[in-house]
Amino acid sequence: AQTVTQSQPEMSVQEAETVTLSCTYDTSESDYYLFWYKQPPSRQMILVIRQEAYKQQNATENRFSVNFQKAAKSFSLKISDSQLGDAAMYFCAYWGNAGNMLTFGGGTRLMVKP
Amino acid sequence: DVKVTQSSRYLVKRTGEKVFLECVQDMDHENMFWYRQDPGLGLRLIYFSYDVKMKEKGDIPEGYSVSREKKERFSLILESASTNQTSMYLCASSSTTPGYTFGSGTRLTVV
Repeated sequence: AQTVTQSQPEMSVQEAETVTLSCTYDTSESDYYLFWYKQPPSRQMILVIRQEAYKQQNATENRFSVNFQKAAKSFSLKISDSQLGDAAMYFCAYWGNAGNMLTFGGGTRLMVKP
Repeated sequence: DVKVTQSSRYLVKRTGEKVFLECVQDMDHENMFWYRQDPGLGLRLIYFSYDVKMKEKGDIPEGYSVSREKKERFSLILESASTNQTSMYLCASSSTTPGYTFGSGTRLTVV
């Protein structure tokens, strides 16, 4: 079974600075998808970014980018120019071939200091 | 805008009550999921469904049941609510396209 690990329960960053959230996963599959979801205090879980494993190019969405290291099974999220609205829980998730389902990491709470 | 709607944002119920949490999606998704979210424990899968009238147990099904009579609706049922079921409940749906669409969550308090 696949597992997803987020080793940082909490992180903090100064407004306007850059922060990187870590995620590692374990799988024997070669074709899969990885996701970062954001859950702000309003609780609505929002998709931040998606990476397809067969694509070597790292996904980017505005201030959010990933560092996808397939061999190392690592999928970190970089947030540039952090804003107060980035404060949230962030979940890393894996989607493989065995069932249309996500496997989630335990989450990282990001605090943004003004 | 596609949606997953959870009927209640906050619920307070008494111990022993039968509780229904409703989730409706308008995207014609085949797959629907119920999770509970607790501090320090992340998201834990309770039940899921890949089709109408079909259900599968997740990691923590004890004390819960589900109903999926129509494709768009997936109900979570607490047969006899207990205080240890106080939690945030999240519903999600998906199709064959990877990824979920989530509802906005129901915070249930059992007193």
